[in-house]
Amino acid sequence: GQNIDQPTEMTATEGAIVQINCTYQTSGFNGLFWYQQHAGEAPTFLSYNVLDGLEEKGRFSSFLSRSKGYSYLLLKELQMKDSASYLCAVEGATSGTYKYIFGTGTRLKVLA
Amino acid sequence: DSGVTQTPKHLITATGQRVTLRCSPRSGDLSVYWYQQSLDQGLQFLIQYYNGEERAKGNILERFSAQQFPDLHSELNLSSLELGDSALYFCASSFMTSGRVSEQFFGPGTRLTVL
Repeated sequence: GQNIDQPTEMTATEGAIVQINCTYQTSGFNGLFWYQQHAGEAPTFLSYNVLDGLEEKGRFSSFLSRSKGYSYLLLKELQMKDSASYLCAVEGATSGTYKYIFGTGTRLKVLA
Repeated sequence: DSGVTQTPKHLITATGQRVTLRCSPRSGDLSVYWYQQSLDQGLQFLIQYYNGEERAKGNILERFSAQQFPDLHSELNLSSLELGDSALYFCASSFMTSGRVSEQFFGPGTRLTVL
């Protein structure tokens, strides 16, 4: 089947670094996405990984290991505005049929 | 502003009714996606269209249907509504070529309340 697991909640301090993990099971892996969603708002794209390794984009980095079905999102120099839910999502394919699976999200609280 | 528009912003209706949600993708985007987000569940992928054709299908109920029109806007039709259909419905769009994955841009959502 297809499944995504990520922690429900995390708390960190302003200025710190936090790592949000995501493990997934899917067939026909096409890519992994991370989105940020503030309460009551639409998700916004953060990063995309299709090959193993680290993708860096400013204060945000995302890592993928396809053999382990594992990804993490690294947020550096945390700011109060980073308090949001972070969604891990995978595009998979089964018998030529594509699907997008989203995790339930990790609610990150950044404390002053 | 992502460039994706959705109407209406809010919709309140009764059980058993039928509603239509509308989405206009970003200029140049050929692909449209529909998602449902309930309080107790995460984002659930419903369906994707690419240039008018259905490309991917998630856990979309038979009471729900969608289409993408020649001008690339899309509509999601929800019929025989039940209380459990109350949710935030997001539309997203992306520019896709030959199956290559690209990021999705989400609209502001339509909040549906079924009484």
